[in-house]
Amino acid sequence: QKEVEQDPGPLSVPEGAIVSLNCTYSNSAFQYFMWYRQYSRKGPELLMYTYSSGNKEDGRFTAQVDKSSKYISLFIRDSQPSDSATYLCAMTRTSNTGNQFYFGTGTSLTVIP
Amino acid sequence: DAGITQSPRHKVTETGTPVTLRCHQTENHRYMYWYRQDPGHGLRLIHYSYGVKDTDKGEVSDGYSVSRSKTEDFLLTLESATSSQTSVYFCAIAYNTNQPQHFGDGTRLSIL
Repeated sequence: QKEVEQDPGPLSVPEGAIVSLNCTYSNSAFQYFMWYRQYSRKGPELLMYTYSSGNKEDGRFTAQVDKSSKYISLFIRDSQPSDSATYLCAMTRTSNTGNQFYFGTGTSLTVIP
Repeated sequence: DAGITQSPRHKVTETGTPVTLRCHQTENHRYMYWYRQDPGHGLRLIHYSYGVKDTDKGEVSDGYSVSRSKTEDFLLTLESATSSQTSVYFCAIAYNTNQPQHFGDGTRLSIL
């Protein structure tokens, strides 16, 4: 079983819709949680970074962490065609050599005008 | 990303040849990473560095070596390239291991 699971999609929504992207994880030791956006032929770009349970909002984006359920979500309000990309979740836990990063495999999102 | 430059951006080479990919950063971050990204596998860590001349193996290090002689440069070498190493390679940097990693725009490597 992978430490981080993410539904690959693809997900297709009309412009203006609310998008929900999700990841689950198996290890309760994960402490820091991130969402990255990756456009085609580009590197992942950090969108959200949080280290506690609850919600964090930044513009149209809200990151939600539920440590008791080992579940994180990214909500996109009023989705735009420019949001079409692959979204990766990531999280870290402490190891002997410092914090290790674990990435989901990504969810492909298309927002249709 | 403005602070991370990967070179070359694209490369096609033949099986058995050596290949070196370069990552250059202008952020003076201590940590540097090399990943490969393949469909269905996501990002997999190859090697990482936690300082000049300090490196360690990641999840998929077989067939790869790295070197870091300066803070700003991290090199990934495929000693004898194989077709299974065809992939997109990303370099990432981080200020410390509690901070998010920031990625370059990748190198597309095809091994024929």
